[in-house]
Amino acid sequence: DVKVTQSSRYLVKRTGEKVFLECVQDMDHENMFWYRQDPGLGLRLIYFSYDVKMKEKGDIPEGYSVSREKKERFSLILESASTNQTSMYLCASRSYSGNTIYFGEGSWLTVV
Amino acid sequence: GESVGLHLPTLSVQEGDNSIINCAYSNSASDYFIWYKQESGKGPQFIIDIRSNMDKRQGQRVTVLLNKTVKHLSLQIAATQPGDSAVYFCADLTNAGGTSYGKLTFGQGTILTVHP
Repeated sequence: DVKVTQSSRYLVKRTGEKVFLECVQDMDHENMFWYRQDPGLGLRLIYFSYDVKMKEKGDIPEGYSVSREKKERFSLILESASTNQTSMYLCASRSYSGNTIYFGEGSWLTVV
Repeated sequence: GESVGLHLPTLSVQEGDNSIINCAYSNSASDYFIWYKQESGKGPQFIIDIRSNMDKRQGQRVTVLLNKTVKHLSLQIAATQPGDSAVYFCADLTNAGGTSYGKLTFGQGTILTVHP
């Protein structure tokens, strides 16, 4: 079975803190993604990576950065968390040859 | 701009009925259409997809229909069960391949509620 694992399901952080969200996939997929999901706004792409050490900005990259040091792992970094980054964050992956994106269970982040 | 939208934000059905969830899209260049199911507190789960050169595709209890003339996509769930209650998203994928992740555009979602 396809498996995308987000290690942190629920986090509460203070404004200004640095936050790391980790994601691991076990399908040897080349492409990995970070989305955020907000009520009324649907899923919005933050960053994606098409290979190790490669990254591209999505639709809403401001305030975020990413790291892809290994093929199976894609990290989302909030350098200085703000309250408007309170959201559900979804990691996903896809192979070069596939079309379907597989999602993790999500990480609920609250910034206070 | 490009968008994938849904006709109805909520749908309530009785257990055993068939459900139809609709989706309109605007991008004629979309290559694939994908349906996801999202249960409360969980990430979206892939249900079924369809290539843009197809009209119909069937899975287990689900059928996706694509009408490119009117840019309309639907998901039919047969014999709906309480476990089918969730939010259903359609998404369209454009220009994917190789290093290009393509553009995946999600609709807002339809809430399906199945009453026992």
